[in-house]
Amino acid sequence: GAVVSQHPSWVICKSGTSVKIECRSLDFQATTMFWYRQFPKQSLMLMATSNEGSKATYEQGVEKDKFLINHASLTLSTLTVTSAHPEDSSFYICSASVGGVGDQPQHFGDGTRLSIL
Amino acid sequence: AQSVTQLDSQVPVFEEAPVELRCNYSSSVSVYLFWYVQYPNQGLQLLLKYLSGSTLVKGINGFEAEFNKSQTSFHLRKPSVHISDTAEYFCAVSLTGAGSYQLTFGKGTKLSVIP
Repeated sequence: GAVVSQHPSWVICKSGTSVKIECRSLDFQATTMFWYRQFPKQSLMLMATSNEGSKATYEQGVEKDKFLINHASLTLSTLTVTSAHPEDSSFYICSASVGGVGDQPQHFGDGTRLSIL
Repeated sequence: AQSVTQLDSQVPVFEEAPVELRCNYSSSVSVYLFWYVQYPNQGLQLLLKYLSGSTLVKGINGFEAEFNKSQTSFHLRKPSVHISDTAEYFCAVSLTGAGSYQLTFGKGTKLSVIP
């Protein structure tokens, strides 16, 4: 149980392109979804937290106009990297949680490797 | 604010040998504790979690961890590792209050199992 599907797993695109990444909870309703960015050989950096039907809460230093997050339903959240540039190349991972308290573990997608040429 | 320290960035160990991956945390309030494993080019998979109760927690793949409140530690152990255990391991904490569900991760420990 508690499967999170993230799509696409790998994307290569030209600089200036906008890229949309989908995160779906397949067998549970995710009250809260999280988006992380992971640089090579480093830990996960939380970018934003989103609750279904409300605006995402972005971490300090994350450009909300560049990383658009939509959490339109209890099973789907999307991250759109707008006008992507080479410095946006990274491994993006989403996670989903059932409840709003810390005892509910986050269930992670398999990540999206984004390469901007 | 809470923080997590994973003391070893890399741990090489021979196959079938025991291993301990160390994790210490800092927090002024109660926390929940987690260990996640990440295989190459994949997301994170929950290994085990400590919420309350018994301080020895058993997880998947034969791993276990012990919560030590006085030492603010949550070390991960396995008595006999396999090649398939080669991966990155992350220790994480979250606060216990309602709405406090964000995870704070350590920097990770890369476990390399040598045949």
